[in-house]
Amino acid sequence: DGGITQSPKYLFRKEGQNVTLSCEQNLNHDAMYWYRQDPGQGLRLIYYSQIVNDFQKGDIAEGYSVSREKKESFPLTVTSAQKNPTAFYLCASSMGRASRGYTFGSGTRLTVV
Amino acid sequence: AQKVTQAQTEISVVEKEDVTLDCVYETRDTTYYLFWYKQPPSGELVFLIRRNSFDEQNEISGRYSWNFQKSTSSFNFTITASQVVDSAVYFCALSEAAGGTSYGKLTFGQGTILTVHP
Repeated sequence: DGGITQSPKYLFRKEGQNVTLSCEQNLNHDAMYWYRQDPGQGLRLIYYSQIVNDFQKGDIAEGYSVSREKKESFPLTVTSAQKNPTAFYLCASSMGRASRGYTFGSGTRLTVV
Repeated sequence: AQKVTQAQTEISVVEKEDVTLDCVYETRDTTYYLFWYKQPPSGELVFLIRRNSFDEQNEISGRYSWNFQKSTSSFNFTITASQVVDSAVYFCALSEAAGGTSYGKLTFGQGTILTVHP
């Protein structure tokens, strides 16, 4: 079945370390997105990519980096510059047009220890 | 800029009660899409409905119904005869159709936590 796979489901990181969250889709979607969820704040956009080798900052990109070397993959790196990285991270994909809808992964819960 | 407001942070009801979740949005675009998602405790977002800005017909799907009113920029969601399994966080979201710097991006409201008690 087509879908989005996020791994790992739970991730623990020590302060000062970079960590990479994986997001893979087999839906042949052009666009991919990373959202961060904090309690009471809904989902906020970190980065998005409309095509391979191109991506744009979202509303809260500071302390994060991404790459889009393949259409299927959009990994997110949480760097040590992110001051408050503990959150739930959701990856999504779409055909690039809102009319086609979006598909979400099951999320990665990152905790800094 | 797009904005979605869900003023109700938490709602608590008893099973079989009807409940309405409010959603108010702001956009300068004439073409846009509105969404509702359900997030159960597992965390995954479950798609409930998508509505484009040109279709103001209300929609009913089983116990779920949606009321879209462009005049008040609202897209409210009603659950009739609520059940314990409806307990979740519900998000309203907005996306521009195409073009501009917000191409394809979803803007979410803060979410409403619905708890249905037996």
